[in-house]
Amino acid sequence: AQSVTQLDSQVPVFEEAPVELRCNYSSSVSVYLFWYVQYPNQGLQLLLKYLSGSTLVKGINGFEAEFNKSQTSFHLRKPSVHISDTAEYFCAVRGGYSSASKIIFGSGTRLSIRP
Amino acid sequence: EAQVTQNPRYLITVTGKKLTVTCSQNMNHEYMSWYRQDPGLGLRQIYYSMNVEVTDKGDVPEGYKVSRKEKRNFPLILESPSPNQTSLYFCASSPQGAATNEKLFFGSGTQLSVL
Repeated sequence: AQSVTQLDSQVPVFEEAPVELRCNYSSSVSVYLFWYVQYPNQGLQLLLKYLSGSTLVKGINGFEAEFNKSQTSFHLRKPSVHISDTAEYFCAVRGGYSSASKIIFGSGTRLSIRP
Repeated sequence: EAQVTQNPRYLITVTGKKLTVTCSQNMNHEYMSWYRQDPGLGLRQIYYSMNVEVTDKGDVPEGYKVSRKEKRNFPLILESPSPNQTSLYFCASSPQGAATNEKLFFGSGTQLSVL
């Protein structure tokens, strides 16, 4: 079985500061990893995903994430945040390649940007 | 425009009064799913459907029903709502099952309050 842990429920940062949102997963098989973003009053949108290959994945809006197999982590980073990045961010994992596997979501991290 | 449409956006009801939340997608997606989002718990899967007339339980199916008579529609039915079903509900779809590396497309959500 797979699980995903987002270590911070809330992360406040100042505008133009860097940010890292942490995500750790557990799985006994190979995984696909995702970050979704939920802006206020909207559904979730895919930010980026790791399937295979390069461990550094770039997504939309200047975000990137690094897959670290030894640490079982997939932390999300942005070098300089903007007010418009205020949202809730969800890490998700899907383990294995069978049609029966499903996506498991973390509990979310609320990113609040201060001017 | 490709989208997943949920209705209603907000719903207040009383305990025991049957209700249906509709979900429709215009992308000819095979896979559809319902999630509930609760503070600190992230998204939990209620039911999913791999194709027409094929539905299966997710992690928290108790108190819910679904049907998939047509490819585009996947309504969520609460036969006898209870206050613990007060939550934010999301419908999602993807071209193939959650088993692939395809992203999920989410609706805008339905905020349900059961008094």
